Amino acid sequence: AQTVTQSQPEMSVQEAETVTLSCTYDTSESDYYLFWYKQPPSRQMILVIRQEAYKQQNATENRFSVNFQKAAKSFSLKISDSQLGDAAMYFCAYRSPTGTASKLTFGTGTRLQVTL
Amino acid sequence: DGGITQSPKYLFRKEGQNVTLSCEQNLNHDAMYWYRQDPGQGLRLIYYSQIVNDFQKGDIAEGYSVSREKKESFPLTVTSAQKNPTAFYLCASSQGRSSYNEQFFGPGTRLTVL
Repeated sequence: AQTVTQSQPEMSVQEAETVTLSCTYDTSESDYYLFWYKQPPSRQMILVIRQEAYKQQNATENRFSVNFQKAAKSFSLKISDSQLGDAAMYFCAYRSPTGTASKLTFGTGTRLQVTL
Repeated sequence: DGGITQSPKYLFRKEGQNVTLSCEQNLNHDAMYWYRQDPGQGLRLIYYSQIVNDFQKGDIAEGYSVSREKKESFPLTVTSAQKNPTAFYLCASSQGRSSYNEQFFGPGTRLTVL
């Protein structure tokens, strides 16, 4: 079974600075998908960014980018120019390829605080 | 607007009672999911359905039941057999059976057992 580990329960960043959230995972599969979800105080889960394992190029979405290291099974999220609205819980998630159980396996989350 | 609705937002139940959480989507998605969220444990999959009239158990299905009679609806029943039902419950849906398809989440239901 796949597992996802987020070793940072809480992180803090100053507004306009850059922060990196860590995520590692364990799998025996070679093809899979990785996601970062944001959960603000409203508790609505919002997809931030996604990465396909067979793509070597790191995904980027505006101020959000990932550092995907397949051999190390690492998938970190970098938030640049942090804003107050980025304060939330961030969850890393793993998804098996098509044909198997299409569920998401989540990490335990990292709470990000953004300070002035 | 397309989206996922969950009702009620807050639900209180006495011990020994069954309770049903509603999840409706108008995104025309084939697949639907139920997750449970507890503090410090992230989200865990309870049940999922990839097509009408078919569903599979997730990681923590004991004490829960579901049905999928309509494409847009995937209600979750928390039975009295669930020993610790107090939690936040999230419903999600995705299009097709491709694993890459994004899962869209509803706003959640907070269930408290009194």
